[in-house]
Amino acid sequence: AQTVTQSQPEMSVQEAETVTLSCTYDTSESNYYLFWYKQPPSRQMILVIRQEAYKQQNATENRFSVNFQKAAKSFSLKISDSQLGDTAMYFCAFMRRGGSNYKLTFGKGTLLTVNP
Amino acid sequence: EAGVAQSPRYKIIEKRQSVAFWCNPISGHATLYWYQQILGQGPKLLIQFQNNGVVDDSQLPKDRFSAERLKGVDSTLKIQPAKLEDSAVYLCASSQTEWEVNYGYTFGSGTRLTVV
Repeated sequence: AQTVTQSQPEMSVQEAETVTLSCTYDTSESNYYLFWYKQPPSRQMILVIRQEAYKQQNATENRFSVNFQKAAKSFSLKISDSQLGDTAMYFCAFMRRGGSNYKLTFGKGTLLTVNP
Repeated sequence: EAGVAQSPRYKIIEKRQSVAFWCNPISGHATLYWYQQILGQGPKLLIQFQNNGVVDDSQLPKDRFSAERLKGVDSTLKIQPAKLEDSAVYLCASSQTEWEVNYGYTFGSGTRLTVV
């Protein structure tokens, strides 16, 4: 079974600054995907960024980037130039690749507050 | 493209009552998921359907929870009888192709259930 751990229940950052959210995971799988999802008060889970485990290059999406350390089983999210709209819960998630079971295993989340 | 529709948005019931949630996935999506998100935790998969067949229901409390997806389109999740610990947000999600799964599937806005 997979586990995902987010050790920071809450974080805050000033607008326009950079913040990094931490995530570690445990799995015996060698082929998998990792995701960061954002959940604003509207409750809808919104995909922020994904990483394929077989790719060494870290994923980037505009102001969002990850630091994927496969050997250490670490998958942190960096948000640059933070904006007020980035305020939300952020969840790290794991999905095993292959087969027909597409279960996402989530961490407990980090509440990020961007202050003006 | 319309998103994943869920209703109701909120529901308050007394313990031992029954409740049902409805989900209409994105048109044409073969795979449908129900997740339970208890306050302060990440979502947990309850059941995954592929068309109208069950792929994974290992974490569904079958003594009180049931789900169906007739005709492989919309789905209903039922709890009978409800317990206090069932208070949570129930999220529905859907996906079509493996590409969509691997890039993060689409979630609805959820139903917040409060059992008193």
